[in-house]
Amino acid sequence: GAVVSQHPSRVICKSGTSVKIECRSLDFQATTMFWYRQFPKQSLMLMATSNEGSKATYEQGVEKDKFLINHASLTLSTLTVTSAHPEDSSFYICSASLPALAGADEQFFGPGTRLTVL
Amino acid sequence: KQEVTQIPAALSVPEGENLVLNCSFTDSAIYNLQWFRQDPGKGLTSLLLIQSSQREQTSGRLNASLDKSSGRSTLYIAASQPGDSATYLCAFQGGSEKLVFGKGTKLTVNP
Repeated sequence: GAVVSQHPSRVICKSGTSVKIECRSLDFQATTMFWYRQFPKQSLMLMATSNEGSKATYEQGVEKDKFLINHASLTLSTLTVTSAHPEDSSFYICSASLPALAGADEQFFGPGTRLTVL
Repeated sequence: KQEVTQIPAALSVPEGENLVLNCSFTDSAIYNLQWFRQDPGKGLTSLLLIQSSQREQTSGRLNASLDKSSGRSTLYIAASQPGDSATYLCAFQGGSEKLVFGKGTKLTVNP
C-alpha cells in the first residue's frame, strides 16, 4: 500500500518550453502532496506544499509563477515548470501524505522525474 | 531554522561489517525521524520511521534509534552487503508536515 507514481520519469526539453509532471497516489487519498527538487549530490529541498482544492504554499525563494502547482483531486497533483531554462534541470520528487492516527502524517515518495533543459 | 546534519558524508566498508550512520538535528520539537534509502537516479525508499514517543525501530538488519534530548538519531546496519550500497538520508519532521532532510551518507559496501 501507499504507492506514489510520477510521470514522466525522464524528460528532455528545449529552453523556453513548459513541462508538466504528474504525481499520483495510487491506493490512497492524499489531501496534501509535496514537491521537492534535488540537485546533484545535494539533499531534497522542499519547493511547495499542495493541498487539494486550494492554492499551493511555496517555500521562500521558489517562484510560484514559474513552478505552477495544481492539486485538482485527492490523488493527483501536477507541477508545471514554465519557460524552462537550463538552470531548472534537476530531479523533481513528489510525496503524498497519508494521515496518521497519531502524530505527524507520514509521507510516501514518488520515483522522481529527471528534467533536462537544453 | 531546523538543520539536519549527517555524518559521515561518505563511507566505504568491506562486506559483512556492521556500521553506524549518524544524524543530528537542532530542533527538539520532533514528531517523526525518518530514514530513507536512495539509489542513484531513483526516488526515496522509506526504511524506518521513529515517532517522538519511541526510542528505536527495527527492520531486519536495520535498527534506528532516536535520542531527542541530544538531537541525534543513528541508523545501524548489521552484516552489510553490497546491495546495501546507496545514499542514506535522514529527515526530521516537526510540528508542521514538512520534512527537513540531511545531505545524506553515501555508503559503499565492497564485496
